Amino acid sequence: GAGVSQSPSNKVTEKGKDVELRCDPISGHTALYWYRQSLGQGLEFLIYFQGNSAPDKSGLPSDRFSAERTGGSVSTLTIQRTQQEDSAVYLCASSSLRGGGQPQHFGDGTRLSIL
Amino acid sequence: AQTVTQSQPEMSVQEAETVTLSCTYDTSESDYYLFWYKQPPSRQMILVIRQEAYKQQNATENRFSVNFQKAAKSFSLKISDSQLGDAAMYFCAYRSATGANSKLTFGKGITLSVRP
Repeated sequence: GAGVSQSPSNKVTEKGKDVELRCDPISGHTALYWYRQSLGQGLEFLIYFQGNSAPDKSGLPSDRFSAERTGGSVSTLTIQRTQQEDSAVYLCASSSLRGGGQPQHFGDGTRLSIL
Repeated sequence: AQTVTQSQPEMSVQEAETVTLSCTYDTSESDYYLFWYKQPPSRQMILVIRQEAYKQQNATENRFSVNFQKAAKSFSLKISDSQLGDAAMYFCAYRSATGANSKLTFGKGITLSVRP
């Protein structure tokens, strides 16, 4: 069956450029999460979408980071004016229910490298 | 805020042997969930096992089992009959059962190698 799909798999860009990362969750999953995995910081929560509710942006590290979820499905994470410390693997996950013990299903991530 | 600690950065086990990966956490909540995820070099996080805090019985999934000690806030993963395919990074994670955000809080992870 189709899992969480992320694109691109790898992205190399120059410092100062904007990047967009895409996440296509499992069909029917109402909850969508973005995490960042970097060498020094481990896995950090970035943002959470649940249905039509306002997203929880409490994990976004700066105002250069933003995300949207269109039509309750596909999500894009945008990083403006990239910096070298933005280099990391960005993981997307989705789950079927808010809260509860429903596990989050992860995509393969996007490895972002800032030159 | 909740924290998850995995104090061992690396472990090694002989194929067919048993290994235990440690995890401790800190929370003031009484209702929550704990997870172990496996991350092979492919990067995808794969759920290994899940434990509900209100259940006293330890979760088991085939060769994987946990030792959940709620009072001690400890959640270790035991892998029996280790296989070469078990080599990966393993993350312990916490998730609140209350509140509007069901985000996962992860430990730093442990790299498990399996010797043939």
